[in-house]
Amino acid sequence: GEDVEQSLFLSVREGDSSVINCTYTDSSSTYLYWYKQEPGAGLQLLTYIFSNMDMKQDQRLTVLLNKKDKHLSLRIADTQTGDSAIYFCAESRLGGSQGNLIFGKGTKLSVKP
Amino acid sequence: DAGVIQSPRHEVTEMGQEVTLRCKPISGHNSLFWYRQTMMRGLELLIYFNNNVPIDDSGMPEDRFSAKMPNASFSTLKIQPSEPRDSAVYFCASSLIAGGTDTQYFGPGTRLTVL
Repeated sequence: GEDVEQSLFLSVREGDSSVINCTYTDSSSTYLYWYKQEPGAGLQLLTYIFSNMDMKQDQRLTVLLNKKDKHLSLRIADTQTGDSAIYFCAESRLGGSQGNLIFGKGTKLSVKP
Repeated sequence: DAGVIQSPRHEVTEMGQEVTLRCKPISGHNSLFWYRQTMMRGLELLIYFNNNVPIDDSGMPEDRFSAKMPNASFSTLKIQPSEPRDSAVYFCASSLIAGGTDTQYFGPGTRLTVL
């Protein structure tokens, strides 16, 4: 298909790890992004990964990229209630030449105390 | 930097009225994007500009929607006439396309309600 796909909901307990998955479509995408949207706010960039990397770690966040399967994941370690939000995966379908990002529909993460 | 600025933050209007949404991108950015977000359709790209020039407006729903970018620091999205189905949150985002990442920075959004 042509869409960036994500599961719509994920529920975890505080302190557990969260893994949010995404499949994208364009094998030539140069950058892949994770954005976070808190209630009533705009999308905030969390992290991104260049397509020649397999993994990127930034504090509690780990991004894994499987180019063969066009699969991207975001792992949040020690999930906190403040991590409750909608997480969007996005691919740079035009290779960054014009800046057009294709977003998934977002995964709503609920963290239970 | 103040980030992307959008106004108004909330707009309530009646069907048939003209609505104008405003956006000030981050200074120095050369690309600007307008998105619409609804529960049913998620985040949709309406139009984007590079160096003030519209590049792709294929996401604009119909002729009632128009967008302009008269200079590098200002853009408008206009809906005339507005309809209840236009109710949504409208986001503006900007980025600097310079051969590296194309990270987009989003404004806080305008929540539009058309009665």
